[in-house]
Amino acid sequence: GAVVSQHPSWVICKSGTSVKIECRSLDFQATTMFWYRQFPKQSLMLMATSNEGSKATYEQGVEKDKFLINHASLTLSTLTVTSAHPEDSSFYICSVLPGRNSYEQYFGPGTRLTVT
Amino acid sequence: LAKTTQPISMDSYEGQEVNITCSHNNIATNDYITWYQQFPSQGPRFIIQGYKTKVTNEVASLFIPADRKSSTLSLPRVSLSDTAVYYCLVGPMNRDDKIIFGKGTRLHILP
Repeated sequence: GAVVSQHPSWVICKSGTSVKIECRSLDFQATTMFWYRQFPKQSLMLMATSNEGSKATYEQGVEKDKFLINHASLTLSTLTVTSAHPEDSSFYICSVLPGRNSYEQYFGPGTRLTVT
Repeated sequence: LAKTTQPISMDSYEGQEVNITCSHNNIATNDYITWYQQFPSQGPRFIIQGYKTKVTNEVASLFIPADRKSSTLSLPRVSLSDTAVYYCLVGPMNRDDKIIFGKGTRLHILP
């Protein structure tokens, strides 16, 4: 399966600052990547669909100006949490879609964000 | 997207076979059934996918009855390392369809 990496694996930042999370598809050119958020003991929540060379599609309730997504190449998508607040503390996970089947996604290891 | 219902949690012992059942009464004709596994602080991992009858791979088996209103993930001879959350997802195979995760089943394997 596709190999997906995320960087950093964890980050601590202060309220009001911005944090960038990278998602890389190491062995596959991904035109589509997905960003999820997961709070403790809860399921994954889809935040947005990242499309290479075009604007991301955000899910209802996700602020596009707060969660900036850039998919500038076929192997890299970035999620920037702007003006972070403690309630943004969460586990952020990206995934790639290697094939024609939307249900066989390959997920990155996740990034733990803590905002103090 | 078809709604799925799974047990919130299950306990089992090492060496046992574990069966996790997922109900999806409103499954559509073109929907497939997919199971993911997630360990703490890791991204989910694809386990198995099927449409009908039985599917088996090196990790698990998936049993789907003729009416497809439920499915059962079977994990043979579990070990402590199988402790994880297991998600059942139901939906079409189209590339543009997004995945919506349900609550999943928290499986705890005891020694």
